[in-house]
Amino acid sequence: DAKTTQPNSMESNEEEPVHLPCNHSTISGTDYIHWYRQLPSQGPEYVIHGLTSNVNNRMASLAIAEDRKSSTLILHRATLRDAAVYYCILPGTSYDKVIFGPGTSLSVIP
Amino acid sequence: EAQVTQNPRYLITVTGKKLTVTCSQNMNHEYMSWYRQDPGLGLRQIYYSMNVEVTDKGDVPEGYKVSRKEKRNFPLILESPSPNQTSLYFCASSLSSRTSGDLNTDTQYFGPGTRLTVL
Repeated sequence: DAKTTQPNSMESNEEEPVHLPCNHSTISGTDYIHWYRQLPSQGPEYVIHGLTSNVNNRMASLAIAEDRKSSTLILHRATLRDAAVYYCILPGTSYDKVIFGPGTSLSVIP
Repeated sequence: EAQVTQNPRYLITVTGKKLTVTCSQNMNHEYMSWYRQDPGLGLRQIYYSMNVEVTDKGDVPEGYKVSRKEKRNFPLILESPSPNQTSLYFCASSLSSRTSGDLNTDTQYFGPGTRLTVL
């Protein structure tokens, strides 16, 4: 599976938008980009995924660069409950050996 | 409620004393996996199973065993635990091991975690 690079930590003010970047320069043409997040003391949970087009769901938006070498998870209005570690992963064609890196630890300031 | 359960949630044990951490899912998922999480290292895959009686090693399988006799259960066995296996363990499942871009197929569901301390 291709590797991803994310900043170790980011900070945001409550009620402001947050843009969490992910670099995946070795992505292959068929790799979907998945985002998961892990709230304190919980297991990771699915957030969003996409291939080429930007994607929206009730939790977040995913903006994918035209060359697909990077993507950005967008939380439109950060809340205190969004404080978590966010993981960007590329499972490839299977989850057999998916790699979760250290992720980005997001702090939300009231 | 669709969920992945793990037991126990917390365990303190001593070196060499065999233990089993159970994992069960009620979603009829084919794929199940075990991860360990250590500070600064993210989630590392220990073992995974694509279906009943089919298991394979992940990135860090040393010191662990698994079995998949039934679809819903995927226990993690530490035959002789050592202090370097002190960690937070997560079990996960998904409908299929193959990703297809479909939300139902691709989403992994994680258990609440088991915090293991080996003295």
